[in-house]
Amino acid sequence: GIQVEQSPPDLILQEGANSTLRCNFSDSVNNLQWFHQNPWGQLINLFYIPSGTKQNGRLSATTVATERYSLLYISSSQTTDSGVYFCAVYYYGGSQGNLIFGKGTKLSVKP
Amino acid sequence: KAGVTQTPRYLIKTRGQQVTLSCSPISGHRSVSWYQQTPGQGLQFLFEYFSETQRNKGNFPGRFSGRQFSNSRSEMNVSTLELGDSALYLCASSPPQGGGTGELFFGEGSRLTVL
Repeated sequence: GIQVEQSPPDLILQEGANSTLRCNFSDSVNNLQWFHQNPWGQLINLFYIPSGTKQNGRLSATTVATERYSLLYISSSQTTDSGVYFCAVYYYGGSQGNLIFGKGTKLSVKP
Repeated sequence: KAGVTQTPRYLIKTRGQQVTLSCSPISGHRSVSWYQQTPGQGLQFLFEYFSETQRNKGNFPGRFSGRQFSNSRSEMNVSTLELGDSALYLCASSPPQGGGTGELFFGEGSRLTVL
């Protein structure tokens, strides 16, 4: 089945710093989403991005489907950005279901 | 517009018991998916329902089952609970869109502890 790999697994930043999170996937996918999991466990939608670039405030994402990767950029990080960021791809393949998640990047932003 | 609502938010059960979790999707969404999140296995797909029919199923034992009602609300059931079933169970809904590639919106989850 498809593999979804996120890097780095852990990231510690000083408030105000910029960061780039990466998501690689091993096969063609139908679509891709980025999520932020808050401390209470809810997955908050950041981007729904099959290809190209989208921006939302300090966050932006780029997916290059032909090269099987996506990047999430966080600029001027704030302590509230802390949490786990997940990349998830839409994939049709047997029992793996529709949405396959990476293992996440745990981001800690220090004041 | 109300988001995806899951109940209960927290529950504690003992081994051998069964549990039923509920999920109300966003109004107008007809697809509901369930995911299990554990520290060891991460986020894993359980099953997906669309128009009261199970459209896809993950690699979980038969103790895990689900259903969807005509109003798109969904329930999942876990019978004969094991310690390893302790997890955060997340429900997601997506708007009516061909091919199941619609954007997924998640609820806050139901945190199950099995003692």
